[in-house]
Amino acid sequence: NAGVTQTPKFRVLKTGQSMTLLCAQDMNHEYMYWYRQDPGMGLRLIHYSVGEGTTAKGEVPDGYNVSRLKKQNFLLGLESAAPSQTSVYFCASGVTEAFFGQGTRLTVV
Amino acid sequence: AQSVTQLDSQVPVFEEAPVELRCNYSSSVSVYLFWYVQYPNQGLQLLLKYLSGSTLVKGINGFEAEFNKSQTSFHLRKPSVHISDTAEYFCAVSEVDSSYKLIFGSGTRLLVRP
Repeated sequence: NAGVTQTPKFRVLKTGQSMTLLCAQDMNHEYMYWYRQDPGMGLRLIHYSVGEGTTAKGEVPDGYNVSRLKKQNFLLGLESAAPSQTSVYFCASGVTEAFFGQGTRLTVV
Repeated sequence: AQSVTQLDSQVPVFEEAPVELRCNYSSSVSVYLFWYVQYPNQGLQLLLKYLSGSTLVKGINGFEAEFNKSQTSFHLRKPSVHISDTAEYFCAVSEVDSSYKLIFGSGTRLLVRP
């Protein structure tokens, strides 16, 4: 029972580089979310999706893009990484209970 | 706009003592309420949730929380903590009919000492 799987688990980027974080869930959930976690700030919502082919902005969407081409996958992209995007990124899926992945620790130097 | 306040950034407590982690929220509509726990270098795990019904909610690992609508609070309690309860605890709220988006508090680190 995999639940929510995030890849990669760690990554170091140089400023200006791009990358994509992948989130996959096997629970047939319609709703999926991307959060970032920074010290002392809890988790903040970046983007979310309420179904295949849909995406919407959350609280801190600037500098990120997302796509939900398949129901089970939710991709988070950074087109031009900045040091301010150094964070731990969590994907979640679910409705009245959100199931979280193990996180991706991203460092932008 | 909705918001969640966890006033205590860290709560130190001795093993087998009771503990209460405080959470207050603000919202102009009906809400769902959650407590999540995060162990080091791991994702978040749901402790308990309030959707409707009884205001006293029991969760995993002996934790419980009480929803107080008049005080807009959802405090987490455990009568006797263990060393293994040392972790970060997050209170979260989502507004009913809001795509279930979770708004999190800043977290409370529970440090259980022997």
